[in-house]
Amino acid sequence: EAEVAQSPRYKITEKSQAVAFWCDPISGHATLYWYRQILGQGPELLVQFQDESVVDDSQLPKDRFSAERLKGVDSTLKIQPAELGDSAMYLCASSLWAGGLSYEQYFGPGTRLTVT
Amino acid sequence: AQTVTQSQPEMSVQEAETVTLSCTYDTSESDYYLFWYKQPPSRQMILVIRQEAYKQQNATENRFSVNFQKAAKSFSLKISDSQLGDAAMYFCAYRSAGFGNEKLTFGTGTRLTIIP
Repeated sequence: EAEVAQSPRYKITEKSQAVAFWCDPISGHATLYWYRQILGQGPELLVQFQDESVVDDSQLPKDRFSAERLKGVDSTLKIQPAELGDSAMYLCASSLWAGGLSYEQYFGPGTRLTVT
Repeated sequence: AQTVTQSQPEMSVQEAETVTLSCTYDTSESDYYLFWYKQPPSRQMILVIRQEAYKQQNATENRFSVNFQKAAKSFSLKISDSQLGDAAMYFCAYRSAGFGNEKLTFGTGTRLTIIP
């Protein structure tokens, strides 16, 4: 069964350093999402892509976070500089888009970031 | 903005018994989707069940069923014949039906423990 791939699974970085996460969605899924899940809370959307275009990045802290999906397939989320409050699980999800409808979101295993 | 509330941070149930997880939501929209997702420890989030708001019939998936009360904005999950593998965090989530607004809004989750 096809799955959403994410790497790395775990990342420890020092405050003020740069960090990047990678996501490879299920083949054929045009919609890709990055969520942040702080410990003890539910995930919150950071950015949504439709193919290579950003559909929603209203909750993305643009002064330090950036996201790209250059060829409309895999995606990278970057944080520079990292802050202590960025410690969280970063989840990638993808969904099929067909006939004007968006289908269920499938989640990857996540990248757990610890900022020291 | 939509909100999702899960008022039970933790629940426990004896193996083979039935448990109900509660969820309420707030929205001014008439057309939307509701979901229950399961997040096992150190594993990816998976979809348990989905409900379309326009459908009056409650969704069921094997041992999982929902009680959808649209007027009360309530969406509870019932797990019958609980199994050890059901132990996980359970998240209730809301999604608008409109195009370009496919993000999931999650509750804070309920940690379900299965007692052997």
